[in-house]
Amino acid sequence: AQTVTQSQPEMSVQEAETVTLSCTYDTSENNYYLFWYKQPPSRQMILVIRQEAYKQQNATENRFSVNFQKAAKSFSLKISDSQLGDTAMYFCAFMKHGGNQFYFGTGTSLTVIP
Amino acid sequence: EPEVTQTPSHQVTQMGQEVILRCVPISNHLYFYWYRQILGQKVEFLVSFYNNEISEKSEIFDDQFSVERPDGSNFTLKIRSTKLEDSAMYFCASKTGPSGANVLTFGAGSRLTVL
Repeated sequence: AQTVTQSQPEMSVQEAETVTLSCTYDTSENNYYLFWYKQPPSRQMILVIRQEAYKQQNATENRFSVNFQKAAKSFSLKISDSQLGDTAMYFCAFMKHGGNQFYFGTGTSLTVIP
Repeated sequence: EPEVTQTPSHQVTQMGQEVILRCVPISNHLYFYWYRQILGQKVEFLVSFYNNEISEKSEIFDDQFSVERPDGSNFTLKIRSTKLEDSAMYFCASKTGPSGANVLTFGAGSRLTVL
């Protein structure tokens, strides 16, 4: 079975600063995908960034980047130059290659302080 | 930007009543999902649906639950006899293909409150 753990229920960051959200996972699979989804208040979850496990290079999307450590089964999200619109719940998720379901962490509530 | 739309946004029902949650996936998507999130807990997979049949379901998805794609656009989740523990946010999601490379797009959710 796959499990995803987000050990930080809440975090805050000053506007324009950098913040890192942690995620670890447990799996026996070698081929899989990892995701960070953002859920603003009362809005749907949207994909922030995605990493394929067979790719060694860390994914980046503008101000968002990941630190993917496959051996450590760690997948942290770094948000640079934080903006007020980054305030949201962030979910880390895992999907095995060829699988059908996502396994989510419990989420980290991020507040960007002006 | 295409969206997955869900109705109702919030439904309150009495224990034992039937509930139908509706979803309109993105039009060119072929794979459909229901997830739920009990307050304060993680988002959990319920069921996946492809080619007009269930492709995978979790242990949560027992005989009280059913899914249907009654026409070319709607994807529904029915709970036959609701229990208090069914109170949760239910998310519909869809994507074009089965791979993790295909983006899974979520709806805004339907909050179900069972009294």
